[in-house]
Amino acid sequence: ETGVTQSPTHLIKTRGQQVTLRCSSQSGHNTVSWYQQALGQGPQFIFQYYREEENGRGNFPPRFSGLQFPNYSSELNVNALELDDSALYLCASSFRFAGTNEQFFGPGTRLTVL
Amino acid sequence: EDQVTQSPEALRLQEGESSSLNCSYTVSGLRGLFWYRQDPGKGPEFLFTLYSAGEEKEKERLKATLTKKESFLHITAPKPEDSATYLCAVDNNNDMRFGAGTRLTVKP
Repeated sequence: ETGVTQSPTHLIKTRGQQVTLRCSSQSGHNTVSWYQQALGQGPQFIFQYYREEENGRGNFPPRFSGLQFPNYSSELNVNALELDDSALYLCASSFRFAGTNEQFFGPGTRLTVL
Repeated sequence: EDQVTQSPEALRLQEGESSSLNCSYTVSGLRGLFWYRQDPGKGPEFLFTLYSAGEEKEKERLKATLTKKESFLHITAPKPEDSATYLCAVDNNNDMRFGAGTRLTVKP
């Protein structure tokens, strides 16, 4: 069984640039969620994708957008980067059915915005 | 507003010294409470899911319990390798809300 993978591991960008982060789901999972984790804080929910459509969104502006592909992999895009976007970005996959939402996380992408 | 609060923020134990971590929550419709372990610079590792008050789950030295307003993660006779941040999260219909975590250090 293949776990959740994310790329790249680390990324450095400058303010105003755009970034794309990638995630491959765990085998057998059909739902992907993205989180932002600032240093010393718990992960904050950005959004979730199921069947290639956004299925829930946290309190993040529209410059945070995503995609889910037919193979259940996913991308997180962030436009007009700000210094406060520096964080660990986590992807989590799960198998969506009634009654459970156990999510399994990837190792994360560390984004630094200068 | 839905909230998840974990206490204490940090906990230092001697090896073998048992203790408990607390997660209190206020959500409108709980669909599950989750415990994760996170090592520095890594993604959270799934530990337990609890669905209803009174439920308990165990794994090695860890035991999680759930009431209507809070959950406890009991650590029995911890070892240095149990040092990590322990995160609690609640599922409120596709919005997974995490606490800030408890940073546990176990000294040999």
